[in-house]
Amino acid sequence: AQKVTQAQTEISVVEKEDVTLDCVYETRDTTYYLFWYKQPPSGELVFLIRRNSFDEQNEISGRYSWNFQKSTSSFNFTITASQVVDSAVYFCALSEEGNYGQNFVFGPGTRLSVLP
Amino acid sequence: DAGVIQSPRHEVTEMGQEVTLRCKPISGHDYLFWYRQTMMRGLELLIYFNNNVPIDDSGMPEDRFSAKMPNASFSTLKIQPSEPRDSAVYFCASSRGTVNEQFFGPGTRLTVL
Repeated sequence: AQKVTQAQTEISVVEKEDVTLDCVYETRDTTYYLFWYKQPPSGELVFLIRRNSFDEQNEISGRYSWNFQKSTSSFNFTITASQVVDSAVYFCALSEEGNYGQNFVFGPGTRLSVLP
Repeated sequence: DAGVIQSPRHEVTEMGQEVTLRCKPISGHDYLFWYRQTMMRGLELLIYFNNNVPIDDSGMPEDRFSAKMPNASFSTLKIQPSEPRDSAVYFCASSRGTVNEQFFGPGTRLTVL
């Protein structure tokens, strides 16, 4: 069965530090998609990025970057020079589309606190 | 586009009462998802629809929960009778296919006393 693990329950950093949020996934399908979502204290869920299993290129968007490594089944998220506004719960998610049907599962989330 | 719309935003009810949560997905999206979020269990997928048809309801906790999607622009999640353990934030999300990002509504915070 598919599974998403975010081993870090909570992380605290001081503003301007870099921080990496880990995501490890399990799937039997060769075609799948990985996502990151942000849930700030206001409660809404905000989409950050989508990556398909055939594209292992790393992605950078401003202070955000993502490292996808199929060899270790990981899709880690790094925030460079963190800011207080980055404080939120971050969810990694997996969607499969293959022999085992279509499924979508979220990881348990990592709560990031960025202290001034 | 207005995004996914959920109503009500907050609901407080007493145990045993019927609760109906509503969702309007983004126009043109063919998938609609209902999630429940609690501190203990995190974000749980309850049920999802494709073109108004329920595809997977294995996450629905028990028979007290039911969901419908009578047309492409409206879905309901009903709890009857409600219990205190149903207290949670319920999110509705929609997407164009399951492999694309889901867009979430603001959620309904349900409190069952």
